[in-house]
Amino acid sequence: AQSVTQPDIHITVSEGASLELRCNYSYGATPYLFWYVQSPGQGLQLLLKYFSGDTLVQGIKGFEAEFKRSQSSFNLRKPSVHWSDAAEYFCAVGAWNAGNMLTFGGGTRLMVKP
Amino acid sequence: NAGVTQTPKFQVLKTGQSMTLQCAQDMNHNSMYWYRQDPGMGLRLIYYSASEGTTDKGEVPNGYNVSRLNKREFSLRLESAAPSQTSVYFCASSAQGAGELFFGEGSRLTVL
Repeated sequence: AQSVTQPDIHITVSEGASLELRCNYSYGATPYLFWYVQSPGQGLQLLLKYFSGDTLVQGIKGFEAEFKRSQSSFNLRKPSVHWSDAAEYFCAVGAWNAGNMLTFGGGTRLMVKP
Repeated sequence: NAGVTQTPKFQVLKTGQSMTLQCAQDMNHNSMYWYRQDPGMGLRLIYYSASEGTTDKGEVPNGYNVSRLNKREFSLRLESAAPSQTSVYFCASSAQGAGELFFGEGSRLTVL
């Protein structure tokens, strides 16, 4: 069975600082990988996704993520954080033969200091 | 641009009461899903429907039933609510094989 671990429950960064959110997955075959963002009281919005090809993927709002097969990781990065990035971030893994069912990590709550 | 619409947004139940969460999507997606979100546990799949006329259990189906009424609508029913079902419920949909899920805004359910 597939699983996703987000080791950091909470992260606080200063506005303008760089950000890296960690995600490790467990899955036997080549996974599909996603990062979603959830603002308070809202549903989840897709930031970016990896299906195949270039292991560095660009997403919305200036985010990027890198798929590292050898480390089973898909870490999310942003060079300069804005106060509006404060939210909860979820990493998810899926597979072609799993009917689009995604397995989500526990989430990382990002707080941004002015 | 309605996307995925869930109702109600908030509900308070007493233990043993029943209720149905409604979900509708207007993106002509084949697949629909119900997840629950609990602090520190991410989202866990309750039931899903890969296509109209089919439903299957996810990771945490106990205490729930679903109906795929047509291609647009997928409802989640709690027959006898328990405090352990206090959670935020999300409906999602996806095109066949595309991977990406589109989520509704969630339904916050409290069972007393």
